[in-house]
Amino acid sequence: EVQLVESGGGLVKPGGSLRLSCAASGFTFSSYSMNWVRQAPGKGLEWVSSISSSSSYIYYADSVKGRFTISRDNAKNSLYLQMNSLRAEDTAVYYCARVNELGADYWGQGTLVTVSS
Amino acid sequence: QSVLTQPPSASGTPGQRVTISCSGSSSNIGSNYVYWYQQLPGTAPKLLIYRNNQRPSGVPDRFSGSKSGTSASLAISGLRSEDEADYYCAAWDDSLRGVFGGGTKLTVL
Repeated sequence: EVQLVESGGGLVKPGGSLRLSCAASGFTFSSYSMNWVRQAPGKGLEWVSSISSSSSYIYYADSVKGRFTISRDNAKNSLYLQMNSLRAEDTAVYYCARVNELGADYWGQGTLVTVSS
Repeated sequence: QSVLTQPPSASGTPGQRVTISCSGSSSNIGSNYVYWYQQLPGTAPKLLIYRNNQRPSGVPDRFSGSKSGTSASLAISGLRSEDEADYYCAAWDDSLRGVFGGGTKLTVL
């Protein structure tokens, strides 16, 4: 069974940093691109970042470029999102999602990041 | 302000057919596949339609997708109470960034 479990969310002050993790199981993690998608409270979905299976291709939304860094460790079946210079508008539930030709076909349950003083 | 434009709400009675529209541009919907996601209250999104009109296994054939030019639509026939959810369209744009619609809240009356 495919499972994606996010962790690392919490309360952080504006300007602070946080590192999110996504533990994958039930599939060959190294064969799939992965996404981070976020959802602010009561709002819609926003694509944040994508990373290819071998980390060769990485893309960011303009809203996080230069502040967030996506990475993965295929040996540990894990996806990461390093978030620096956090702002109030980064407050959201952050989902990791597996990506293939079908789209984002599996999603984790999300981890909440709250940026507030 | 989402890149893709969806109506904020839609509604129907049980058994009815409902459609949700999604409007984009030549750099996203016009040149790439459209995907639809269903998000039930308090849960993670679920893939509903991929490659414009394909259903993943397990998705009922009551759900169908279509695309024409820079617009797409999701149709739900035989509406059921459990279809009450938020629906999002999505696509990649030519710069290989993901774009979503703002979401449509479907109410089953």
